[in-house]
Amino acid sequence: KQEVTQIPAALSVPEGENLVLNCSFTDSAIYNLQWFRQDPGKGLTSLLLIQSSQREQTSGRLNASLDKSSGRSTLYIAASQPGDSATYLCAVSMEYGNKLVFGAGTILRVKS
Amino acid sequence: DVKVTQSSRYLVKRTGEKVFLECVQDMDHENMFWYRQDPGLGLRLIYFSYDVKMKEKGDIPEGYSVSREKKERFSLILESASTNQTSMYLCASSSRKPLYAGSGGNIQYFGAGTRLSVL
Repeated sequence: KQEVTQIPAALSVPEGENLVLNCSFTDSAIYNLQWFRQDPGKGLTSLLLIQSSQREQTSGRLNASLDKSSGRSTLYIAASQPGDSATYLCAVSMEYGNKLVFGAGTILRVKS
Repeated sequence: DVKVTQSSRYLVKRTGEKVFLECVQDMDHENMFWYRQDPGLGLRLIYFSYDVKMKEKGDIPEGYSVSREKKERFSLILESASTNQTSMYLCASSSRKPLYAGSGGNIQYFGAGTRLSVL
């Protein structure tokens, strides 16, 4: 059974710092991996999707990498801002049908 | 922009009541999903559907059923609500088209969530 783990569970950084969020999964036979952002009491917003054949994806200040063989992904946030404060969730899809298995998330707080 | 709309943001129901949670998407997506989110447990898949009138159980289907009579609408039904079904419920949809540049395929789009309290 696929299990997804996110480390750290919570992170507090000063504004402007570059930071890395980690995600690991136990079964490397994934179809794709997706990073989401969730604001308190709200739904999820997709940030980046990496196909299993890709190594990384970039969107603005965000860069996600994937090492499928070692079962790891990282989300890099450059020059963090208070508006980046949210919970970040990693999820993997095991098949084309797109069922997702989620990690528990990393709660990020960026202090001004 | 893809829009996934959940009919209620907050609901309060009594134990034993039959509860309907509605979800509508406007992007002609084939796939639709219902998750629940609980502190410490994360998001867990309840049911999903690949097409109209099709449904498959997720990881925690007990106590729930679903209905998909139209492509754009996916309903989650709590047959007899219980206090352990107090949770945040999230609906999502995605396309079955392969992902290529600009297609948006495979990305799951979520609604704002329904916070259900069962008293």
